Amino acid sequence: ETGVTQTPRHLVMGMTNKKSLKCEQHLGHNAMYWYKQSAKKPLELMFVYNFKEQTENNSVPSRFSPECPNSSHLFLHLHTLQPEDSALYLCASSHHGTASGNTIYFGEGSWLTVV
Amino acid sequence: GENVEQHPSTLSVQEGDSAVIKCTYSDSASNYFPWYKQELGKRPQLIIDIRSNVGEKKDQRIAVTLNKTAKHFSLHITETQPEDSAVYFCAAGENSGGYQKVTFGTGTKLQVIP
Repeated sequence: ETGVTQTPRHLVMGMTNKKSLKCEQHLGHNAMYWYKQSAKKPLELMFVYNFKEQTENNSVPSRFSPECPNSSHLFLHLHTLQPEDSALYLCASSHHGTASGNTIYFGEGSWLTVV
Repeated sequence: GENVEQHPSTLSVQEGDSAVIKCTYSDSASNYFPWYKQELGKRPQLIIDIRSNVGEKKDQRIAVTLNKTAKHFSLHITETQPEDSAVYFCAAGENSGGYQKVTFGTGTKLQVIP
């Protein structure tokens, strides 16, 4: 299944590094999301883009910077992260405009370790 | 905002037995309740969902019930099999501004013992 693909799958970075996570969806969807998944915590919505426009920013620290150049691609730029930012970052997409097309499809995730 | 609570956090059942996971939500405006299954090292995948105009929905061995008055919904898995072992997440939300605004529960780790 290659509907939503994320790269890299694993990333280790120092607190002073700058890196980016990439997401691409091949489903023709018009909404894309970044979620953070930490141990023993619910999936946390970070950002939402609808038709390339950011529609939700859930009080995410500025060291996380999203970018959505088109409806198929989503990036998460990372800089000066903290060890507590280590988590699985999940990209997702969904389609809106039809009655039943609201399912959120997740990518495999990018495991981030901040050292 | 929406608050979703999920119980239990872990659940062990013998193969062939039933498993029930329960969730409550707080926002009466929520009208969409999906359930996701996440196997170890894999992505969360939708297994069943229900909308607020329906009280129950079934798909083979999986069923979901919704009580809007009490603001709770449940996942029922019958005749459990080892491949059902995974973490299950409930969620509650609605369409908002052209996207799916859902809040997830903390997950239930289901172990099916052969």
